[in-house]
Amino acid sequence: NAGVTQTPKFRILKIGQSMTLQCTQDMNHNYMYWYRQDPGMGLKLIYYSVGAGITDKGEVPNGYNVSRSTTEDFPLRLELAAPSQTSVYFCASSYPSASSYNEQFFGPGTRLTVL
Amino acid sequence: AQRVTQPEKLLSVFKGAPVELKCNYSYSGSPELFWYVQYSRQRLQLLLRHISRESIKGFTADLNKGETSFHLKKPFAQEEDSAMYYCALKAGGTSYGKLTFGQGTILTVHP
Repeated sequence: NAGVTQTPKFRILKIGQSMTLQCTQDMNHNYMYWYRQDPGMGLKLIYYSVGAGITDKGEVPNGYNVSRSTTEDFPLRLELAAPSQTSVYFCASSYPSASSYNEQFFGPGTRLTVL
Repeated sequence: AQRVTQPEKLLSVFKGAPVELKCNYSYSGSPELFWYVQYSRQRLQLLLRHISRESIKGFTADLNKGETSFHLKKPFAQEEDSAMYYCALKAGGTSYGKLTFGQGTILTVHP
């Protein structure tokens, strides 16, 4: 299994441009998440999904959109990129469980710079 | 709302010395706490979770509800322990597995 894959690995955008960060998982996980990692700030949840067709906002959703048409894919869309969106973006997935053992599995990350 | 605080951004120790990475949380309910680790050029991965009461790679962490802490400890640090460590909290109830992360601590173990 490849686990969680993300593309691209790196990207430089100009202010106002748009792009989609791709995330795919092959573990048949229902739950998927998008985080951004800023230095000294830890990881902040942007959006999450509990299954195909179901998404919801996290802590920092402004400037982003998501969709979940399949169990495997959870793309993150940036519209009108701003310098404040310069960050490392991580996608993660987990399997819902009645217990607490829903470990999150992370992708390798996408480093985005907005100039 | 819940909050996780890791007071040390950087922590340096020598090989063989004990190490403790601090984590404090605020949450009104019954939380579940985790430690995630990111080694150089590797993905963020789960190190351990409080509910398992396990020791992974020599690390242990005990949930202290009175002090609202979940400190990560290892009696004898190794150079390969050098990494970024994140403490994370999962709220109880229907939280859909969402995690609240601390700011992270970069641990450097010197030879």
